Amino acid sequence: QKEVEQDPGPLSVPEGAIVSLNCTYSNSAFQYFMWYRQYSRKGPELLMYTYSSGNKEDGRFTAQVDKSSKYISLFIRDSQPSDSATYLCAMSGNQAGTALIFGKGTTLSVSS
Amino acid sequence: SAVISQKPSRDICQRGTSLTIQCQVDSQVTMMFWYRQQPGQSLTLIATANQGSEATYESGFVIDKFPISRPNLTFSTLTVSNMSPEDSSIYLCSVPRGGGTDTQYFGPGTRLTVL
Repeated sequence: QKEVEQDPGPLSVPEGAIVSLNCTYSNSAFQYFMWYRQYSRKGPELLMYTYSSGNKEDGRFTAQVDKSSKYISLFIRDSQPSDSATYLCAMSGNQAGTALIFGKGTTLSVSS
Repeated sequence: SAVISQKPSRDICQRGTSLTIQCQVDSQVTMMFWYRQQPGQSLTLIATANQGSEATYESGFVIDKFPISRPNLTFSTLTVSNMSPEDSSIYLCSVPRGGGTDTQYFGPGTRLTVL
């Protein structure tokens, strides 16, 4: 079993839809949970991060962490064509400088 | 946020040759990281480079294949040695975001194709 599982998609939605992206993980030591957005031929861009469990909202984006289920989600409201990208979940332990463990990424396409 | 640049942005190389990738950061950082992103695979950490000490390699990666230099607090290089087509990948450097979080900023990546 891989440490982090993420459905690669692709996921295609119409403009304005609510998008749900998810990852599951197996290592209960993970404390930091991140979502990166990666446009084609670009490096990953940090979108949101959450420490431990709970929700975090930033504009149209909401990140949720359920440590009891080892499950994290990213919701995108009112999706836009500019949201078309690959979304990577990443996790790490509670020690600075440790490796980030990534999912394979979900490719999202939002059509206008 | 840190601004990270990488050179080259892409390259096509012949089997058996070596390529050195440069990573430049606009601020001083103690740690720099090198990742590999193979097609259809997760980003995977190759090594952590601390200024003034030997790089620390993750399981499956060795110094002879991926030598790293860290001459100062804003610069690092990763060399991919004796390349084979399996080394075709995107190579990314990153630095800690800081502020008490364990998140990282990434460079734009170097897209390597080995023929």
